[in-house]
Amino acid sequence: GENVEQHPSTLSVQEGDSAVIKCTYSDSASNYFPWYKQELGKGPQLIIDIRSNVGEKKDQRIAVTLNKTAKHFSLHITETQPEDSAVYFCAAVRSGGYQKVTFGIGTKLQVIP
Amino acid sequence: GAGVSQSPRYKVAKRGQDVALRCDPISGHVSLFWYQQALGQGPEFLTYFQNEAQLDKSGLPSDRFFAERPEGSVSTLKIQRTQQEDSAVYLCASSLGPAGGPGGETQYFGPGTRLLVL
Repeated sequence: GENVEQHPSTLSVQEGDSAVIKCTYSDSASNYFPWYKQELGKGPQLIIDIRSNVGEKKDQRIAVTLNKTAKHFSLHITETQPEDSAVYFCAAVRSGGYQKVTFGIGTKLQVIP
Repeated sequence: GAGVSQSPRYKVAKRGQDVALRCDPISGHVSLFWYQQALGQGPEFLTYFQNEAQLDKSGLPSDRFFAERPEGSVSTLKIQRTQQEDSAVYLCASSLGPAGGPGGETQYFGPGTRLLVL
């Protein structure tokens, strides 16, 4: 089955700085990679996703990159704000047939004002 | 429109009690998933429904766990004879299409039910 590793487990940045979270996956057939943000007491919320036919995707201050050869994908948050503080999860999915979503362990991001 | 809702939000049970957790998916969503999230961990898959059919229950940790979705909409996760190790947040998610198919990849999560077994 798929295995997703995520690091760092915790990350503290000053407001305005950038934050980068990295994930690796094991199943070369995985082709969809969503990122979720989970605030305290809430369920995970999809913030951005990327498919395997795209190397990079950007949405305002958030960008994701994917290196299929290396099986790496990363989340980049620029100009961080205190409201970005949350736990972020990466995930990997294999489409084209039923497959479970495999989540990383999560990164707790703290943005210091 | 309304998102995924779950009830109760919090549940305290004595060891050995049975509990039932409810999930109301987004209207019209074909797929429904249950996850268990331990403290400080990512969600772990429990089971998957496509409409009323339970297509995958490989993540259910024991036969004390049972899930149903009889009319292809609301789902209930039941845990019998609860144990302390069952304490966790139980998340429900739904997606528009069948898992692995068009519209099936993006899952929308509810707020979860936090279960504490004493």
